[in-house]
Amino acid sequence: NAGVTQTPKFRVLKTGQSMTLLCAQDMNHEYMYWYRQDPGMGLRLIHYSVGEGTTAKGEVPDGYNVSRLKKQNFLLGLESAAPSQTSVYFCASSRGQGHQPQHFGDGTRLSIL
Amino acid sequence: GQSLEQPSEVTAVEGAIVQINCTYQTSGFYGLSWYQQHDGGAPTFLSYNGLDGLEETGRFSSFLSRSDSYGYLLLQELQMKDSASYFCAVRENPTGGGNKLTFGTGTQLKVEL
Repeated sequence: NAGVTQTPKFRVLKTGQSMTLLCAQDMNHEYMYWYRQDPGMGLRLIHYSVGEGTTAKGEVPDGYNVSRLKKQNFLLGLESAAPSQTSVYFCASSRGQGHQPQHFGDGTRLSIL
Repeated sequence: GQSLEQPSEVTAVEGAIVQINCTYQTSGFYGLSWYQQHDGGAPTFLSYNGLDGLEETGRFSSFLSRSDSYGYLLLQELQMKDSASYFCAVRENPTGGGNKLTFGTGTQLKVEL
């Protein structure tokens, strides 16, 4: 049982390049989330989804786009990478009713030069 | 919006008890969660308080006082493996869905011999 899988685990980009981070979950969860984690700042929500075909903005959405075409996948795109987007990106998923714990992937370490 | 405060670092000895406090200011509060994150790892769910009082899960307990906008995580019989960062997170008003969380900046716990 894989849980939440993030691809890739590491990536180095040049400023202005684009890329897509993939998150896949096999727990049939309704909700999925993308966070970024920077030193001393905890986890900040970028975008989230409450179901297939839906997305919504979180706390820090600028410079990112997301898509949830299939229930099990949640994609995070960087259209034109900037050094300020150097971070560790975590994907999470949860069930949809009431309080449900979020299950996190192992993260993607992204460096933008 | 939400803001949370927790100590940046706590040190304790193996076998001791440690308490990590979290105070919050929020425009819509539905509960307080705690997550553990080891260095280089993914956050993992520890505990949730939706109502005032104490929740116990093995060596870990969590407490909430909604009137004081305050909660804490209590770790008993500390072990070296408890050395990690601990994050409190406020569950926001679920209207519109999402089970969104706002995380504190984390408390790094160091357990010493």
